[in-house]
Amino acid sequence: GAGVSQTPSNKVTEKGKYVELRCDPISGHTALYWYRQSLGQGPEFLIYFQGTGAADDSGLPNDRFFAVRPEGSVSTLKIQRTERGDSAVYLCASSPRTGDSETQYFGPGTRLLVL
Amino acid sequence: AQSVSQHNHHVILSEAASLELGCNYSYGGTVNLFWYVQYPGQHLQLLLKYFSGDPLVKGIKGFEAEFIKSKFSFNLRKPSVQWSDTAEYFCAVNGAGSARQLTFGSGTQLTVLP
Repeated sequence: GAGVSQTPSNKVTEKGKYVELRCDPISGHTALYWYRQSLGQGPEFLIYFQGTGAADDSGLPNDRFFAVRPEGSVSTLKIQRTERGDSAVYLCASSPRTGDSETQYFGPGTRLLVL
Repeated sequence: AQSVSQHNHHVILSEAASLELGCNYSYGGTVNLFWYVQYPGQHLQLLLKYFSGDPLVKGIKGFEAEFIKSKFSFNLRKPSVQWSDTAEYFCAVNGAGSARQLTFGSGTQLTVLP
């Protein structure tokens, strides 16, 4: 079946601009996660959705970052006033249920470059 | 705060050699442990996971890992690597019964020479 998809695959923007990154989880998966992976590092947690609501947004670095999942399926990560330090690969993952031992299925990521 | 350490950043082996990748974690409670792999040009995928029961866990493609609670370790092993195992390997942890989000190590790049 179809896996997690993310669009765009690559995004180049200028410092100060606004960007939106989209994640389509596996159909029927109730939990959705966003992570950020900088070069040479492992993914770092940003935010987790259980259905439509953000269950934990403690990983968002500051108030320039915001994410929504209005219908409990597709999610959008929004970054305002982008900075060069925001350059990274943004990963989305979903899992069928919200249990802590559930496998998270990752998408291919969006590579964001802020010039 | 929880953390994961992968001390080997890059490992180079010849085909048929045995593999052991180290993973140590820091967490004040019961944990679930995971190994994910990222093959060149592909997305992260689960190799194996431990959440309870037998501390020796077997995963896909002949990989296994052993949870040693007293050492806070979850090392990944494979008796005989293949060229196709060339990839980046990530160890991850989350808190059992609590936080769902994963805390990852910085990864180990494995290169297997034919």
